[in-house]
This record gives sequence, structure tokens and C-alpha cells, in this order.
Amino acid sequence: EIVMTQSPATLSVSPGERATLSCRASQSVSSNLAWYQQKSGQAPRLLIYGASTRATGIPARFSGSGSGTEFTLTISSLQSEDFAVYYCQQHNTWPRFGQGTKVEIK
Amino acid sequence: EVQLVESGGALGQPGRSLRLSCAASGFTFNDYAMHWVRQAPGKGLEWVSGITWNSGSVGYADSVKGRFTISRDNAKNSLYLQMNSLRAEDMALYYCARDFCSSSFCYFDKWGQGTLVTVSS
Repeated sequence: EIVMTQSPATLSVSPGERATLSCRASQSVSSNLAWYQQKSGQAPRLLIYGASTRATGIPARFSGSGSGTEFTLTISSLQSEDFAVYYCQQHNTWPRFGQGTKVEIK
Repeated sequence: EVQLVESGGALGQPGRSLRLSCAASGFTFNDYAMHWVRQAPGKGLEWVSGITWNSGSVGYADSVKGRFTISRDNAKNSLYLQMNSLRAEDMALYYCARDFCSSSFCYFDKWGQGTLVTVSS
């Protein structure tokens, strides 16, 4: 089983600043890595797939990078609506999620 | 419009059974693999189970293997999760999700709103 580890658990950022979230896989998942955003009381929303491709309708301030075992989600300039929990997910085999990173207002 | 609507969540006693359903509409159901994902109160997302478009392959998280069974009825555009031998740790909001594959990458592009399973005696 591939284990996904996200860091940090919580990230405190001021609006307008950059946020960098990390995700590590216990073995290579190639580029089969997705990022989701979840706001309180809502279902998750797909942000990024294939490690770096933005899903339809996702603003350009969201970007993904990495391959193999190390991945990064960057939010270039945080907007108020971006404060949420973010999950990475590998889908190289049966899917697995990371434990999430909460992005909170500093 | 793509819609996934879960149902069947209820209060279940430890050791008993529940069956969840997910009704799909707005797309060709039998073109897609489908999954169940759960979220315990205040916790993160946990993949529970998945099934390919023709039921040819199924997978389970270790935490539910041997107790839960995923199935689908393509004629009814429906996904199911039979949950047996319920445990307190199965208490969660259960989502059904569509598995979309594009350019060799797969991801969950559509999610339902979830159905709540409570386990208590």
C-alpha cells in the first residue's frame, strides 16, 4: 500500500501571501497525483490532476509540481476563499489520500 | 448535469449491517469506475472501496476488507456499498465519487454530497 504524507498539518498564511504545501508518497506514483480542496460542510473539489494540470475552472494562482514521490501545491497569492483543507491523492494504484493540510488565516 | 446522490446512511448498531446506495445521473454510468470515500467527524478523507466500470476489479482499504462489499448495477445507474459487522470507527460521512481518466491520469472529478453513517448501541 502506498502511503501519502502531507506537510505541514496546518499552514498559517496572510491573504495575498504565497502558500506551499507538500505531499510525499512512500513509493513512486509517477505523475498520478491529484490535489483537492475541501471547505467546511462541502464535498471535496478537484484542483489539480496529473501532478500539474489544473482542473476546469481552477484559477491560475493554483499550481502543482513534482513527480515520483515528491509533490508540491502552490497557491501564489492567497484569496479569502482559499482558506480550506487541501488533500493530495495518488491514483497510481488503488487511490490513497494524504491526511490533509489546513490553510488558515494568519 | 452530472449528479451523484448517496442514500442509506442511518444509525447502525455495532455488529449490524447497512447498505449505502449512490444514484448517478447526467452521464453514461457504465463508462466509469466508481469509488466510496469516507470522512469521520473532524478527520480527513479515507478511500474505502472502488469498482471498475464492468465490476471486473474491486479494491478495498485494509480497514474494511472482509466486511464491506462494493457493487454496481449499470442498468440502474447505481453504486452500492454493503457494510457488515459495523464498528464504531466506521462512523463517517460516506461520499461516492466518479473516477475520470484523462491522458493516462485518473482522478475523482465528481462527488456526491455524502450520506452519514452513525454507529452506536
